[in-house]
Amino acid sequence: DTEVTQTPKHLVMGMTNKKSLKCEQHMGHRAMYWYKQKAKKPPELMFVYSYEKLSINESVPSRFSPECPNSSLLNLHLHALQPEDSALYLCASSPQIPPANYGYTFGSGTRLTVV
Amino acid sequence: EDKVVQSPLSLVVHEGDTVTLNCSYEVTNFRSLLWYKQEKKAPTFLFMLTSSGIEKKSGRLSSILDKKELFSILNITATQTGDSAIYLCAVTPQGAQKLVFGQGTRLTINP
Repeated sequence: DTEVTQTPKHLVMGMTNKKSLKCEQHMGHRAMYWYKQKAKKPPELMFVYSYEKLSINESVPSRFSPECPNSSLLNLHLHALQPEDSALYLCASSPQIPPANYGYTFGSGTRLTVV
Repeated sequence: EDKVVQSPLSLVVHEGDTVTLNCSYEVTNFRSLLWYKQEKKAPTFLFMLTSSGIEKKSGRLSSILDKKELFSILNITATQTGDSAIYLCAVTPQGAQKLVFGQGTRLTINP
């Protein structure tokens, strides 16, 4: 299995909803990442997990809450989002940190719309 | 601050043409440069470059790195409509935990 699987593929949520994005990989990668990508912009890093521990939080608002329950799973819990949070959310993994030596494998993304 | 600049930002050509996409960078203790192709969803990996002057090839795509002048190019020959995508360049400083992405080049191939 050489894929990163993200679910759901599409999500529409209201500003008062709570939802979660899920990311799964079975490549034995020990580093996992959440990126946010707005239209016509490059991906922006949100969080990095290394060996299931949060390694980087790029000053992301607390309405985004990451969780890494085990080495194969990465979740992003969403609560009280704003319409400007609508974007493509990409999960990625790499064998280890630093990714310089390995590059990333990206998931197909979750397209989130906040209404 | 680490920076990656891609040019052009947008390019429209006809099927069969050859295109060259550029990526220049300023980064502390450069380790590697990566090219990705992004269609509707996830970026897919094309090349990783770490050494100057060594061309990497995959079919009609090729890429080379110049660590002295701090840039890389991505060439696509005999373009096809399926090559239409955003091409992202990213670099990683030595020891860094993340990639630094350029803005991307939106390539459109018209039949």
